[in-house]
Amino acid sequence: GAGVSQSPSNKVTEKGKDVELRCDPISGHTALYWYRQSLGQGLEFLIYFQGNSAPDKSGLPSDRFSAERTGGSVSTLTIQRTQQEDSAVYLCASSLWGASNQPQHFGDGTRLSIL
Amino acid sequence: SQQGEEDPQALSIQEGENATMNCSYKTSINNLQWYRQNSGRGLVHLILIRSNEREKHSGRLRVTLDTSKKSSSLLITASRAADTASYFCATGTQGGSEKLVFGKGTKLTVNP
Repeated sequence: GAGVSQSPSNKVTEKGKDVELRCDPISGHTALYWYRQSLGQGLEFLIYFQGNSAPDKSGLPSDRFSAERTGGSVSTLTIQRTQQEDSAVYLCASSLWGASNQPQHFGDGTRLSIL
Repeated sequence: SQQGEEDPQALSIQEGENATMNCSYKTSINNLQWYRQNSGRGLVHLILIRSNEREKHSGRLRVTLDTSKKSSSLLITASRAADTASYFCATGTQGGSEKLVFGKGTKLTVNP
C-alpha cells in the first residue's frame, strides 16, 4: 500500500530482552518521526530524521533507545534491555519534508508489551 | 513537554449533535494541526491552520484559532457514529522547530 507501514503490529517480550521495531515510510517522504503513546495518553516525541542530516534524538528517554534510518527510507527503533515501563504503542510517521507545517502520515503502530 | 492541552478529556454526544473540542497552548506558534485517532490505529491528519488565520473549514469540520488567547477549537457538525475517535491538537512552535508537540487528546463518543 501507499501508507506508512509498521511491523510487527504487536510484540510481547520478557523484561531484559532487546526489541526491534520497523517503520517503512511513504515513498519520497524525507522526514520520519518516532513517537511513543502510553495508554490513554498523547504522543511523546522520540526521534526525528530528515534526509541525510544528523537525527534529532532529543526525545529518547534513555540510552537503551536508539534508532537508525538506512538509505533515507526504512527506519528501525531498537530498545535494549527492555523494562516494563517501555510498554506502550510506538508510532512512526513520515512527511514530505521536515517542517511543522507539513501533515504527518502515521502508521498503525507497534503495541509493545513487556512481561 | 506538553504544549497543547485539549478540553474536555472526554465528550459523549448523540448522533446529529455538534461536538466542540478545545486546545490551549503555552508558547507562540507558527501553525496548529488537528488529528483524529480511531481505536487501535495511527493518527490521521484533519486540518492545519496557520497563525495568521482565524478560521478554516473542511467538510463538517470547522477550526478556529485565537492567538491572543493561545487557543483553538475544533467543531464537528452533524456528528455521526463514525466520528467516534480521539482528537488531538498539535502545535508547531516558532523558532524553526520541525517537530510537532501533541496534546493528550479528547475522546469523543457519538452514540447512534
